[in-house]
Amino acid sequence: GAGVSQSPRYKVAKRGQDVALRCDPISGHVSLFWYQQALGQGPEFLTYFQNEAQLDKSGLPSDRFFAERPEGSVSTLKIQRTQQEDSAVYLCASSLGRLQETQYFGPGTRLLVL
Amino acid sequence: KQEVTQIPAALSVPEGENLVLNCSFTDSAIYNLQWFRQDPGKGLTSLLLIQSSQREQTSGRLNASLDKSSGRSTLYIAASQPGDSATYLCACPRSGGGADGLTFGKGTHLIIQP
Repeated sequence: GAGVSQSPRYKVAKRGQDVALRCDPISGHVSLFWYQQALGQGPEFLTYFQNEAQLDKSGLPSDRFFAERPEGSVSTLKIQRTQQEDSAVYLCASSLGRLQETQYFGPGTRLLVL
Repeated sequence: KQEVTQIPAALSVPEGENLVLNCSFTDSAIYNLQWFRQDPGKGLTSLLLIQSSQREQTSGRLNASLDKSSGRSTLYIAASQPGDSATYLCACPRSGGGADGLTFGKGTHLIIQP
């Protein structure tokens, strides 16, 4: 079956531009997660949704980062007024939502801010 | 706050060798622990998920063990092959619960020499 998909795969933005990254989770998966992965590091948690409810956004690095999942399926991570330190790979993952479930990851969006 | 450490950071071995990757975590109140593989420029692929009630899980040439009391997990790879070359990441739930974001180690970069 189809896995988690993300678009675009690559994004180059000029400093100060706004960007929007899309995640399509596996159909039927209740939980959706966003992570940020800097070069040579492990992924860092950003935010978590259960259906359309954003239950944890404690990992968002600043108020320039905003995520939504209005209908409980597709999610968008928006970064306003991008800065060079925002350059990273943004990974999306989904899980069935029950306790102790495996998280399935998408291929990521590689963001480069010039 | 959960912290995950992986040793070694990098490893290069000849094809055919058996090897062990190590992971340690600071908060032993975890529901599960997950091992992932990441190929360059790709997302994460789940390899094994060990529930807190289990001591080990096996999949093919891979065997993962979990010792909650000591805060350690190991990933054993038998008869290594060049196709095993990748970065291996260990991850635990951030807050101990299952349906939550993960805390990752920085990974072990593995190279299997043909």
